[in-house]
Amino acid sequence: NAGVTQTPKFQVLKTGQSMTLQCAQDMNHEYMSWYRQDPGMGLRLIHYSVGAGITDQGEVPNGYNVSRSTTEDFPLRLLSAAPSQTSVYFCASSYSEVNIQYFGAGTRLSVL
Amino acid sequence: AQKITQTQPGMFVQEKEAVTLDCTYDTSDQSYGLFWYKQPSSGEMIFLIYQGSYDEQNATEGRYSLNFQKARKSANLVISASQLGDSAMYFCAMRETKKTSYDKVIFGPGTSLSVIP
Repeated sequence: NAGVTQTPKFQVLKTGQSMTLQCAQDMNHEYMSWYRQDPGMGLRLIHYSVGAGITDQGEVPNGYNVSRSTTEDFPLRLLSAAPSQTSVYFCASSYSEVNIQYFGAGTRLSVL
Repeated sequence: AQKITQTQPGMFVQEKEAVTLDCTYDTSDQSYGLFWYKQPSSGEMIFLIYQGSYDEQNATEGRYSLNFQKARKSANLVISASQLGDSAMYFCAMRETKKTSYDKVIFGPGTSLSVIP
């Protein structure tokens, strides 16, 4: 049972480049979310999804897009990377909003 | 506005002693949930304990217990008999309910705990 899988683990981008952070889970969880972690600020919610086809914005959605075409996958897109998006990104899933979230190992992103 | 406050950026505790990590939250909802997660230096996020707003008893999981004081809007984590492996960042989180969107889970800034031999 793989749980929540994030790829890549590390990425370096130049300002203005685009990329997609991948997140997949094999637990048939309806609820998935993306967080970014910056020093001293904890984890801040970027976007989340309560099921295939349903997404909503979190605390810091600007500069990020998401879609949820299947239950298993919830990719996070950076359309035009900025240095302010340098962070560690975590994907999480749970059976519902009220249940325990299972986290991926994280993606460390640097934007130069 | 900060929904979850963790006022202790860093804490130290002697091995085998108990320690309390503070968490206060801000919500006008009647139904909500509170979580604690641990993040060791390796970076993974580990679920520790959960308390629902309607739960009458404080949650406990092994050496972890949650001191839930609803009127004061606090949900402090108590770790008994600290071990060296407890050294980590600890995050308090809350399931927030909004009338105009779906429930979502938000996190506090975290507390760094160091256990001293």
